[in-house]
Amino acid sequence: KAGVTQTPRYLIKTRGQQVTLSCSPISGHRSVSWYQQTPGQGLQFLFEYFSETQRNKGNFPGRFSGRQFSNSRSEMNVSTLELGDSALYLCASSSGGTGPANTDTQYFGPGTRLTVL
Amino acid sequence: GDSVTQMEGPVTLSEEAFLTINCTYTATGYPSLFWYVQYPGEGLQLLLKATKADDKGSNKGFEATYRKETTSFHLEKGSVQVSDSAVYFCALNTRGYSTLTFGKGTMLLVSP
Repeated sequence: KAGVTQTPRYLIKTRGQQVTLSCSPISGHRSVSWYQQTPGQGLQFLFEYFSETQRNKGNFPGRFSGRQFSNSRSEMNVSTLELGDSALYLCASSSGGTGPANTDTQYFGPGTRLTVL
Repeated sequence: GDSVTQMEGPVTLSEEAFLTINCTYTATGYPSLFWYVQYPGEGLQLLLKATKADDKGSNKGFEATYRKETTSFHLEKGSVQVSDSAVYFCALNTRGYSTLTFGKGTMLLVSP
């Protein structure tokens, strides 16, 4: 079974530009989550999409947005880039289980390394 | 809110030494607990998981036991290899969703 794929792997942008990152989940997975990884803040949750709907959201400004398509592929967009947006952006997919005793497991892609100059 | 605390790194060991990386957590409800590993330049790989109290997760010689009474999930390996050098993240799922809350990560450096 193919794993989670992310494109592109590397991006260089300048301040003020916008960027779109793509994630294809494991076949059959309906949930896609996005995380930002930086040396200072570690791994921080951005948002989760399930069946084309944003189900959960972290504490990031509105410049960060996403969407999910009917085939579960997801895109993340960052507008008006700032230097602090330089990070590794990780996508994870899972079956999307919920509930108080949730045992769902997330599987991660290789990430997209975004550098903002 | 939910949180995960890991021991600070780097942890520096010689090959074949015993490894322990401490992880404690604070959470409401009944989270599942995970260890992920990140090799240089790569994403996160699931190493092992445990879904309820007293469960032991194991993989590739690594083990961790879900201790509800001490809210801990310490990672252990009896004999580390140079190839185990990586950053290890303890995590829990939170608020009933798949969303993960991560610790800060612990870098492990193993020398021959």
